[in-house]
Amino acid sequence: EAAVTQSPRSKVAVTGGKVTLSCHQTNNHDYMYWYRQDTGHGLRLIHYSYVADSTEKGDIPDGYKASRPSQENFSLILELASLSQTAVYFCATGTTNSDYTFGSGTRLLVI
Amino acid sequence: GDSVTQTEGQVTVSESKSLIINCTYSATSIGYPNLFWYVRYPGEGLQLLLKVITAGQKGSSRGFEATYNKEATSFHLQKASVQESDSAVYYCALSENTNTGKLTFGDGTVLTVKP
Repeated sequence: EAAVTQSPRSKVAVTGGKVTLSCHQTNNHDYMYWYRQDTGHGLRLIHYSYVADSTEKGDIPDGYKASRPSQENFSLILELASLSQTAVYFCATGTTNSDYTFGSGTRLLVI
Repeated sequence: GDSVTQTEGQVTVSESKSLIINCTYSATSIGYPNLFWYVRYPGEGLQLLLKVITAGQKGSSRGFEATYNKEATSFHLQKASVQESDSAVYYCALSENTNTGKLTFGDGTVLTVKP
């Protein structure tokens, strides 16, 4: 059973619409992260959280919000989706011992 | 900020030949970062291949090796004899020993192993 589950696996969204990507973990890791990957590039950090009900900005937070209502769940919200947000999004969990687990990714296409 | 550089975007190697994928890094903290190699097989998510958290040490997994060279700030990935099943995208990454625990990734190297 996957320790980090992302939903949906893929999504097509309309420009200006709202998109919510969800992530659920069974690792009981304190840290949760949202990364985006553009074709031909590495992953870049959008938002992260180290405790429920608290989120922090990563390296590229503009245009994104995050929510962590519980230890297990971490959402990424695009209030007004734009073409430039077409990418693959990865959720990850981590510990202070640098043990990370990644989800399978959500492929988002904004049209 | 931190950065990771992988100079080869694509590498093609014949089966049973040796492989080296280059990785150099720049870290802003006073201490030494933790270094990682991740792999993404077609249709799958990112998997940890190996990690090394102590400078000078070598990590190994599935026949792959990487040595943490703090003088050269490098963490090259090597394998003596590749197999077709090794075809994947390989990412070098680092994490600083800070409260964020975030990973900084290189752009990835697409490895194609020809039979």
